[in-house]
Amino acid sequence: GDSVTQMEGPVTLSEEAFLTINCTYTATGYPSLFWYVQYPGEGLQLLLKATKADDKGSNKGFEATYRKETTSFHLEKGSVQVSDSAVYFCALSGGHGSSNTGKLIFGQGTTLQVKP
Amino acid sequence: NAGVTQTPKFQVLKTGQSMTLQCAQDMNHNSMYWYRQDPGMGLRLIYYSASEGTTDKGEVPNGYNVSRLNKREFSLRLESAAPSQTSVYFCASSGQGSQPQHFGDGTRLSIL
Repeated sequence: GDSVTQMEGPVTLSEEAFLTINCTYTATGYPSLFWYVQYPGEGLQLLLKATKADDKGSNKGFEATYRKETTSFHLEKGSVQVSDSAVYFCALSGGHGSSNTGKLIFGQGTTLQVKP
Repeated sequence: NAGVTQTPKFQVLKTGQSMTLQCAQDMNHNSMYWYRQDPGMGLRLIYYSASEGTTDKGEVPNGYNVSRLNKREFSLRLESAAPSQTSVYFCASSGQGSQPQHFGDGTRLSIL
C-alpha cells in the first residue's frame, strides 16, 4: 500500500542554519504531496503542497519539490529561526491507496529544534 | 474564523467507560476525518466520512464508532475505553478530492 517515510529526528540546528528534512514516498497513481507543521500543543497546519511532478511548493521560506523520479518531497529552508521549532509531517493523498477520498497518509513526523 | 472545533480538549477516563468526542467544522467541507497521534507513529486514520451520510473505516478502527450527524458534525465514540486508546485525537475536514485538510487542536485523552 501507499506509505511515507521521513528522516528520523530530532533535528537540532542553530539559528540561521540550513534545514533539510527528507521525505520519500511509495504510491501508485499520481498522489498529491503535503508538508504539515505542528507547533507545541496545537493541531496540524498545512505548510505547503504540490500536486504534480516537478511542482515546487513554498511558504514562509520553506520549499519542497515533487520529484517523481526519486519519489521524494524533501523540505528545505535556507535560514531557520527559533520560531520554526515544531514537528513536521510529510503526507500524501490521492494515490490508489487513498483514491479520491482525500485520505492522508502521514510519515512519522520529524521534530525540529532550533537553538538561538 | 473557527475552522474545525473539537471538544473536549482534555479528558481522563477509567478503563471500561464510554465517551464521545465531538467535532464540528464551519467551512462547508464534504469530507471529515478522525486520526489518532501516538509518539513516533505520525497520525493514523481511524474513520472518515467522504460525504454526509457515509462513513468508512480507516487504518485503526477497532474499538471506535463514528457518526456523521450532518454536514458540519462528525463524532467519535469509544464504547469501552482501554488504556491502549490513550492518545491525542485529531479531527480534520477537507473539500473535494485531494484538497488540503484542516485540523482541529486535538483532544488529549488518557485512559487509566
